Amino acid sequence: DTGVSQNPRHKITKRGQNVTFRCDPISEHNRLYWYRQTLGQGPEFLTYFQNEAQLEKSRLLSDRFSAERPKGSFSTLEIQRTEQGDSAMYLCASSLDRGGIAGAQRGNEQFFGPGTRLTVL
Amino acid sequence: LAKTTQPISMDSYEGQEVNITCSHNNIATNDYITWYQQFPSQGPRFIIQGYKTKVTNEVASLFIPADRKSSTLSLPRVSLSDTAVYYCLVGDMRTGGGNKLTFGTGTQLKVEL
Repeated sequence: DTGVSQNPRHKITKRGQNVTFRCDPISEHNRLYWYRQTLGQGPEFLTYFQNEAQLEKSRLLSDRFSAERPKGSFSTLEIQRTEQGDSAMYLCASSLDRGGIAGAQRGNEQFFGPGTRLTVL
Repeated sequence: LAKTTQPISMDSYEGQEVNITCSHNNIATNDYITWYQQFPSQGPRFIIQGYKTKVTNEVASLFIPADRKSSTLSLPRVSLSDTAVYYCLVGDMRTGGGNKLTFGTGTQLKVEL
């Protein structure tokens, strides 16, 4: 399967613990995104990377959240001192920035992984 | 941010054509309109994307009027497996979107026999 993969698929933790999620994007994709989704709501953007550079962060991404993409391939999202309000589905997506006129005409489709379901007790 | 408005839910029967309309009154010049489908416990899946007029692929059509302030996703001959949440997104896909890509609450489509 050459799609976006995320691990673990489920994580249960106690309040105050740190958790780390991993995302492996589609291999040739240079952009990687993290979203958070709570029940009944659409995904909310958290941050995105162009290769290894983190280019944009939402105000939703508090100081307890950190994301990395060290070699421009896989990415990790860490949540420190988890709170019950952090319980959600964490989604990763990747896309290929075609750039230039071709990119403008075709857009940049985002491919989503299956998500990691976090439950904070 | 270009906010989108869609119906919260729609019901249909197998074999029917379903049209879901999305309003995006403050869409920007560089914004594309993209529709995603999401099944429970799965990530969203791209359905179709367009900028203006009509776009058609193997699963859906997207109709965009000249003023681009709304768009309609058309699903021909739906089946039970089309039961899902459908999201309309508006954003500048050329630059990767970033926080310009906003998912609303989506439209829950329920298809029955």
